[in-house]
Amino acid sequence: GQNIDQPTEMTATEGAIVQINCTYQTSGFNGLFWYQQHAGEAPTFLSYNVLDGLEEKGRFSSFLSRSKGYSYLLLKELQMKDSASYLCAVRDGNYQLIWGAGTKLIIKP
Amino acid sequence: GAVVSQHPSRVICKSGTSVKIECRSLDFQATTMFWYRQFPKQSLMLMATSNEGSKATYEQGVEKDKFLINHASLTLSTLTVTSAHPEDSSFYICSARTGETEAFFGQGTRLTVV
Repeated sequence: GQNIDQPTEMTATEGAIVQINCTYQTSGFNGLFWYQQHAGEAPTFLSYNVLDGLEEKGRFSSFLSRSKGYSYLLLKELQMKDSASYLCAVRDGNYQLIWGAGTKLIIKP
Repeated sequence: GAVVSQHPSRVICKSGTSVKIECRSLDFQATTMFWYRQFPKQSLMLMATSNEGSKATYEQGVEKDKFLINHASLTLSTLTVTSAHPEDSSFYICSARTGETEAFFGQGTRLTVV
């Protein structure tokens, strides 16, 4: 079956760095997405990786290793507004998005 | 990024009535639109995939007669929850994709059935 695993919850300190991991097993692979979702709101697109390596976008970076079925989202200089759920999603061979359950990130002052 | 507008953002309806939710792609033509529901503290659950001009493809366990999806144009898809019941109360989210681009989400609709 298809499966995406990410930690349920993480806690970090304002100003610090946090890495949220995502491992996946899917039938085919056509890209991996990270989304941010604040409580009560729809997800917001953060990043997209289809080739191995690191994609940097401001304070956020996303890494992909297709051979390991592994990705991480790196958040630097954490701000209180970064408290949210972070969803990892993989587009499988049928171009269907398979969603992880999300990682709730709690930022403490 | 592309803009997807979903309306209404919140709706409260009586049990037994029907509710229509609209999803519009404002600055691009969406060949494919997706409808999700999300229960509290859970991830998104894909309900159906709709392609413009054809019937929607429903995920297993989703009742097509209860959740009517119409994708009549490249910029509009609608989800109608028919004969709504309290257990249908949820957060419904649409997303749109054009070609190979990643999907962009609407703002979501909080449905409460009383």
